[in-house]
Amino acid sequence: RKEVEQDPGPFNVPEGATVAFNCTYSNSASQSFFWYRQDCRKEPKLLMSVYSSGNEDGRFTAQLNRASQYISLLIRDSKLSDSATYLCVVNLEGSARQLTFGSGTQLTVLP
Amino acid sequence: NAGVTQTPKFQVLKTGQSMTLQCAQDMNHEYMSWYRQDPGMGLRLIHYSVGAGITDQGEVPNGYNVSRSTTEDFPLRLLSAAPSQTSVYFCASSHIGTGEYNEQFFGPGTRLTVL
Repeated sequence: RKEVEQDPGPFNVPEGATVAFNCTYSNSASQSFFWYRQDCRKEPKLLMSVYSSGNEDGRFTAQLNRASQYISLLIRDSKLSDSATYLCVVNLEGSARQLTFGSGTQLTVLP
Repeated sequence: NAGVTQTPKFQVLKTGQSMTLQCAQDMNHEYMSWYRQDPGMGLRLIHYSVGAGITDQGEVPNGYNVSRSTTEDFPLRLLSAAPSQTSVYFCASSHIGTGEYNEQFFGPGTRLTVL
């Protein structure tokens, strides 16, 4: 079983739509969680960290459910510029190896 | 700050050739790492370093060597290239912290093809 699993998509949504991505992780010792964004043929960049209480950054909302080992990302009012691959990432506390990446969910926002 | 830089951007090798992918960062980050990214596989950790003189293996270390003689540089050496090493290679760096939300900064990547 993969340590971090994501629905690969692709998700094709119209501009203005709300879209949600889910991610599950297998190691209950995982302590910190992130969503990274990767544009086509570019490097990954941090989109947002995911805190225990959930957090919001503009149109983006991240949620964490430790009991179910589940992370989500909600994008409201999708823009064309949101088209990218979204990577779910977890970090084991105390692990110098730091980050384990999911294989990503591809989003295309259509005009 | 230049951030994380990688050279070359593209490389084509023949099977059996060796080469070094360069990575440098100017953010005084303790942690540096190399990943490879293949379609459908996500990023997989090859080697990492928590400081100068300290390196360790990641998930897929076979066929690769690293060294960390300075804080800034973390080169990745392919010893004898194989077609299975065709991939996109990313170098990343961050500060180290247990339980902290340390952002990893990635270089632009090196696209390697082994024929």
